[in-house]
Amino acid sequence: NAGVTQTPKFQVLKTGQSMTLQCAQDMNHEYMSWYRQDPGMGLRLIHYSVGAGITDQGEVPNGYNVSRSTTEDFPLRLLSAAPSQTSVYFCASRLFSYNSPLHFGNGTRLTVT
Amino acid sequence: AQSVTQPDIHITVSEGASLELRCNYSYGATPYLFWYVQSPGQGLQLLLKYFSGDTLVQGIKGFEAEFKRSQSSFNLRKPSVHWSDAAEYFCAVSSGNTPLVFGKGTRLSVIA
Repeated sequence: NAGVTQTPKFQVLKTGQSMTLQCAQDMNHEYMSWYRQDPGMGLRLIHYSVGAGITDQGEVPNGYNVSRSTTEDFPLRLLSAAPSQTSVYFCASRLFSYNSPLHFGNGTRLTVT
Repeated sequence: AQSVTQPDIHITVSEGASLELRCNYSYGATPYLFWYVQSPGQGLQLLLKYFSGDTLVQGIKGFEAEFKRSQSSFNLRKPSVHWSDAAEYFCAVSSGNTPLVFGKGTRLSVIA
């Protein structure tokens, strides 16, 4: 059982480039989410999804797109990277029930120069 | 909007000493409360959770937390800290219809 798998682990982009951070889970979790972690800021929610075909914005959605075509996958797209998007990104999933705990991936460290 | 405050950014304790990490939340209804731990370069791991019932909950690695509604607090405790407990700790809250909101974290250092 792999849990939540994020790829890549590290990425360096130039300003203006685009890329997709991949997230896959094999636990049949309905709910998936993306957080970014910055020093002194904790984890801030970017986007989340409660099921295939359904996505919603979190606290800091600007500059990011998501889609949920399958239960297993929830990719995060940076359309035009900016230095302010330098961060560690975490994907997390759980069962639909709000009292179910989140399961986290190991993160993607992104640097935008 | 719900929020979580962790007043201590960084705490240093001696190995074998007791530990208490503070967490205060702001939310009108009964919250679902969680503590997560993050080791360097890793994702977050669930330590314990509170939904209802007994206000003292036990978690993994010898941690426990107590829900105090009157103080809007959910403090994490451990009677005797080990060097391997050095990590960052996050308190988080959710309700019946909102995603999980995290505090800014408390970094724990353990000295010999």
